[in-house]
Amino acid sequence: EPEVTQTPSHQVTQMGQEVILRCVPISNHLYFYWYRQILGQKVEFLVSFYNNEISEKSEIFDDQFSVERPDGSNFTLKIRSTKLEDSAMYFCASSYLTDTQYFGPGTRLTVL
Amino acid sequence: QKEVEQNSGPLSVPEGAIASLNCTYSDRVSQSFFWYRQYSGKSPELIMSIYSNGDKEDGRFTAQLNKASQYVSLLIRDSQPSDSATYLCAVNTRNAGNMLTFGGGTRLMVKP
Repeated sequence: EPEVTQTPSHQVTQMGQEVILRCVPISNHLYFYWYRQILGQKVEFLVSFYNNEISEKSEIFDDQFSVERPDGSNFTLKIRSTKLEDSAMYFCASSYLTDTQYFGPGTRLTVL
Repeated sequence: QKEVEQNSGPLSVPEGAIASLNCTYSDRVSQSFFWYRQYSGKSPELIMSIYSNGDKEDGRFTAQLNKASQYVSLLIRDSQPSDSATYLCAVNTRNAGNMLTFGGGTRLMVKP
């Protein structure tokens, strides 16, 4: 069964450093998303991406964040200058159309 | 602000019993509703989706939707210890970039 994959599973970085989280969505899906979950809190929407552009973003997704689909398979989330409060699980998800979203296993980001 | 509310639990049921999980949402234009299961440290795993008022059954799971009252519920029949997890209710307002708004989740404990 096709699934969303994410790398790395755990990323440790120093405050102020740039990180890139990578995702490979399900191959025939058209919509891609990033969510995050701070430990003990709700899953929060960051951004949705369709047809090579952002279709929606939340207040969390400020100028420090960017997304890119550099090729036909990868979808990346970049955080330019990480802060302590960026420490969270980051989940990539994809959907074929505007329907069910399937989540990847997540990347745990730890900012020191 | 769109909100999705769930009782955080824990909801404790004996093995073989029916577990009933509830969720309310604030945005009347919400169009699709999802239940995800999340084991500790893992990503959300889709259990069911529901789009129309009424009941939808899939194996031991039944989702119920009442748009007039703005609530959605999940029944788990013949609960098993492996069902012990946090159950997340998610709501999609499709005209908002297909973003999912999650509730905080209900922790279910099924005791052998």
